[in-house]
Amino acid sequence: DVKVTQSSRYLVKRTGEKVFLECVQDMDHENMFWYRQDPGLGLRLIYFSYDVKMKEKGDIPEGYSVSREKKERFSLILESASTNQTSMYLCASSLPGQEYEQYFGPGTRLTVT
Amino acid sequence: AQTVTQSQPEMSVQEAETVTLSCTYDTSENNYYLFWYKQPPSRQMILVIRQEAYKQQNATENRFSVNFQKAAKSFSLKISDSQLGDTAMYFCAFMKHGEYGGSQGNLIFGKGTKLSVKP
Repeated sequence: DVKVTQSSRYLVKRTGEKVFLECVQDMDHENMFWYRQDPGLGLRLIYFSYDVKMKEKGDIPEGYSVSREKKERFSLILESASTNQTSMYLCASSLPGQEYEQYFGPGTRLTVT
Repeated sequence: AQTVTQSQPEMSVQEAETVTLSCTYDTSENNYYLFWYKQPPSRQMILVIRQEAYKQQNATENRFSVNFQKAAKSFSLKISDSQLGDTAMYFCAFMKHGEYGGSQGNLIFGKGTKLSVKP
């Protein structure tokens, strides 16, 4: 079974802090994704990566950056956290050409105070 | 741009009964995929069922089936013999079909329907 893990289930940070959310998958998937999930808004794509050191902006990249130095790891970075970035963050991975079959991590609930 | 609309924010059903979740979408594409994802409370999102637009036959996975109406751009999910473990958020999603097969672009999600199965 594909396993996608995220470094924290719950995280509380202060406004202005630099925040790192880590995602690791163990199935050698080339594609990795970061979404944020908000009540009443569903899931929205922040960034995705289709290979090491490659990244593409999703629908809401503002205020975020990403890093993919190794195939299995995809990091989401909040350079200067703000209260409007309080949300559930979901990571996913897939094989190339099978972006329709994404495997999701358990999510990180981030609160910025 | 594609959009996915789930008009039922919350629904409830008695255990063992049947429930239908609605989803409509808007696209100018002819080839695409549609999905239903399930997110149980505090658990990971998982794929429930997938439909390819060129297939006329509705997809079925055990107690889960879809009613795909391409002309009406409707994609509803029917859960038969509802079980307590079906309690979850359900998301409808869309993805374009790639030119050479596979998929292209991103998953577009609806806002979700919170389903509660009551004993």
